[in-house]
Amino acid sequence: GDSVTQMEGPVTLSEEAFLTINCTYTATGYPSLFWYVQYPGEGLQLLLKATKADDKGSNKGFEATYRKETTSFHLEKGSVQVSDSAVYFCALIGGGSNYKLTFGKGTLLTVNP
Amino acid sequence: NAGVTQTPKFQVLKTGQSMTLQCAQDMNHEYMSWYRQDPGMGLRLIHYSVGAGITDQGEVPNGYNVSRSTTEDFPLRLLSAAPSQTSVYFCASRPRQGAGNQPQHFGDGTRLSIL
Repeated sequence: GDSVTQMEGPVTLSEEAFLTINCTYTATGYPSLFWYVQYPGEGLQLLLKATKADDKGSNKGFEATYRKETTSFHLEKGSVQVSDSAVYFCALIGGGSNYKLTFGKGTLLTVNP
Repeated sequence: NAGVTQTPKFQVLKTGQSMTLQCAQDMNHEYMSWYRQDPGMGLRLIHYSVGAGITDQGEVPNGYNVSRSTTEDFPLRLLSAAPSQTSVYFCASRPRQGAGNQPQHFGDGTRLSIL
């Protein structure tokens, strides 16, 4: 079945540091890939998405590129802020399903001033 | 737009009690889902619905029932609560059109504790 493996946290960075959170996946067909963010005490919000190979999703300074050859969708940001502290989830909708979102276990990011 | 609304936000139950977690969306989305979020486990799908009158099981359905009598509402029922059901529950919806390109919209969650 479909699965998502993401970098285990927690990750602690200083403000303005570079961020990478690794995500790899296993899926049938051609999945759509997503990064969701969960701020403390809140629900999940879509951060960015990519729906086909070599697509780059971007939002709020975050980027991720759909790499079919390495089955990866790593999240990056060049300069993190304290307000980026949250839990980040990598997820996919498999090519064989159009309803089930499969999540990674989440990575807690803490950014210190 | 209210989006996806979950009630209650917090609930404490005793083992064996029953309750219903409410979920409503005002976006006319066909697909609705319930997830539970546990530390170190990510989000796991409990039940889902592809439209009114149609429901099916996800990966962790035991102990939960659902129904979908309208497009807007998708309640989750715990018939006899157990401590293992202590978790944060999220409801989500998305339109059917666009298939996998459409992200899910999440509610703010219900934090449930079973004593």
